[in-house]
Amino acid sequence: GENVEQHPSTLSVQEGDSAVIKCTYSDSASNYFPWYKQELGKGPQLIIDIRSNVGEKKDQRIAVTLNKTAKHFSLHITETQPEDSAVYFCAALWRDMGRRALTFGSGTRLQVQP
Amino acid sequence: DAGVTQSPTHLIKTRGQHVTLRCSPISGHKSVSWYQQVLGQGPQFIFQYYEKEERGRGNFPDRFSARQFPNYSSELNVNALLLGDSALYLCASSLRGAGNTEAFFGQGTRLTVV
Repeated sequence: GENVEQHPSTLSVQEGDSAVIKCTYSDSASNYFPWYKQELGKGPQLIIDIRSNVGEKKDQRIAVTLNKTAKHFSLHITETQPEDSAVYFCAALWRDMGRRALTFGSGTRLQVQP
Repeated sequence: DAGVTQSPTHLIKTRGQHVTLRCSPISGHKSVSWYQQVLGQGPQFIFQYYEKEERGRGNFPDRFSARQFPNYSSELNVNALLLGDSALYLCASSLRGAGNTEAFFGQGTRLTVV
């Protein structure tokens, strides 16, 4: 099956700085990579995703890059704000004999210091 | 618009008991997936249902079962509860199978087994 590794586990930045979270995956057949933000006591919220036919996608202050050759993808948050503080999860779509499921990384706790 | 709704939000059970968790997907969505999230980890795939049929199962024991109803709502059942089943159980809704379109999560059911 798929294995997703995520780094760093914790990240502290000053308000206004950029934050970068990196993930690697093992299954070269994976073709869909979403990112989720999870606040305390809530379910994960989809913030951006990328498919394997593109290398980069942006949505305002958030961007995701994908390197299929190296099997890694990254989340970039610019001009961070205190409300960006949360746990962020990367995921990769895993397929096996008709089954499809998201395999998640272990999460990054982002703390934005005002 | 109503998002994914899960009930109950919190639950305390005793070892050996049985539990049923419920999920209503976003209107128009036909696929429901269940995930288990242990504290400090990323969600782990349990089941996927699409058009009322099981389309995938993760590495969970047979004590875990699920079903999807004609209105696309779903139930997750866990028998013979163990302390290790304590976790946040998340339901994700998607228009078709996960990966074909985005998966949106509910707020989860926090299960505590004592």
